[in-house]
Amino acid sequence: QKEVEQDPGPLSVPEGAIVSLNCTYSNSAFQYFMWYRQYSRKGPELLMYTYSSGNKEDGRFTAQVDKSSKYISLFIRDSQPSDSATYLCAASRGSYIPTFGRGTSLIVHP
Amino acid sequence: GAVVSQHPSRVICKSGTSVKIECRSLDFQATTMFWYRQFPKQSLMLMATSNEGSKATYEQGVEKDKFLINHASLTLSTLTVTSAHPEDSSFYICSALPTSGTPSGNTIYFGEGSWLTVV
Repeated sequence: QKEVEQDPGPLSVPEGAIVSLNCTYSNSAFQYFMWYRQYSRKGPELLMYTYSSGNKEDGRFTAQVDKSSKYISLFIRDSQPSDSATYLCAASRGSYIPTFGRGTSLIVHP
Repeated sequence: GAVVSQHPSRVICKSGTSVKIECRSLDFQATTMFWYRQFPKQSLMLMATSNEGSKATYEQGVEKDKFLINHASLTLSTLTVTSAHPEDSSFYICSALPTSGTPSGNTIYFGEGSWLTVV
């Protein structure tokens, strides 16, 4: 079992929809949780990070961590075609190397 | 945000030759940098962890004599693919961990990636 599991998709939604991207993890020592966005043929870019449990909002994006269920979520409101990309979740134990999920491919169609 | 520059972004080389890819942190120092490989529609595969001034730590299954890593300064790490073969064709991505730490504790920043095609 991988430490961070993520459904590869693809997830296809119409423009304007609310998107929910999820990951589960198995290592209870993880404390930092991150979401990266990767456009085709580009390096991943950091979208959001959270520490421990809770929510964090940034514009149309909300990151949520539930440590009791080991569940990581990213919500995108009013999704746009430009949001079409692969979204990778990651988790780490502070000073350790982040462990990445395999990424979920999101397609937002006009 | 923090910027990591990777060069070249695209390279084509002949089978049997060597090719070097550079990774630079432009606005922060990075004691630790990472090299990943990514095949189409696959996740990032960590190849090695590069530490400034010391030998890189390679992941299991990665040939250290084939993928030479040099982290000579706090802002530069290089990956050299030696005696390249067509099966080495892939997307290589570096990332850097700021030495001074980040509010997120362990946020790494990625370069734009380098497409290697061996013909």
